[in-house]
Amino acid sequence: GESVGLHLPTLSVQEGDNSIINCAYSNSASDYFIWYKQESGKGPQFIIDIRSNMDKRQGQRVTVLLNKTVKHLSLQIAATQPGDSAVYFCAEINTGKLIFGQGTTLQVKP
Amino acid sequence: GAVVSQHPSRVICKSGTSVKIECRSLDFQATTMFWYRQFPKQSLMLMATSNEGSKATYEQGVEKDKFLINHASLTLSTLTVTSAHPEDSSFYICSARVGDDFYGYTFGSGTRLTVV
Repeated sequence: GESVGLHLPTLSVQEGDNSIINCAYSNSASDYFIWYKQESGKGPQFIIDIRSNMDKRQGQRVTVLLNKTVKHLSLQIAATQPGDSAVYFCAEINTGKLIFGQGTTLQVKP
Repeated sequence: GAVVSQHPSRVICKSGTSVKIECRSLDFQATTMFWYRQFPKQSLMLMATSNEGSKATYEQGVEKDKFLINHASLTLSTLTVTSAHPEDSSFYICSARVGDDFYGYTFGSGTRLTVV
């Protein structure tokens, strides 16, 4: 869903550990979901997507899980690296518009 | 891959002046572009949908007379912040839908606007 005036939560993990970032979306009619990574001062960068007819999709070191029953998405990053430090947003497509969720700041400790 | 170029990357302007931000699709035609605004430590908020050859569609609460959008060609959309005030200072990001792919979106690198 849309985050109006909410500051981003932070997830701090040790390098090499797995990270799980969660997101709640707002519209049960949304049929496509995307995870983005945003580094400071830059635009969002595509990580992985999933359609509503799937519940899991894997990429390189990343996995997205979709639970439509509770309108929940998660992004799992395996063997988290310092370069993974960024802000992560989920986004949903509804009526042709890409709507961003709240976002989470991921901090990777060396 | 599809690339969107956004310019300028940073701009500082005086209160009361207007600022234009450009968003260009470099290697594809974009009939639909989107403009977002992002305040520090917050999410991206959709401001408007820009359609080539027609009027933009603004999200609720966004002043269309303040944020003028023009999408005169298939590769260029512009956002003009008119009579800018310090509260308009923000990070503005454009996005383009890639061709007929309803689900393909690519983003510009953003424009940091500071109004003094």
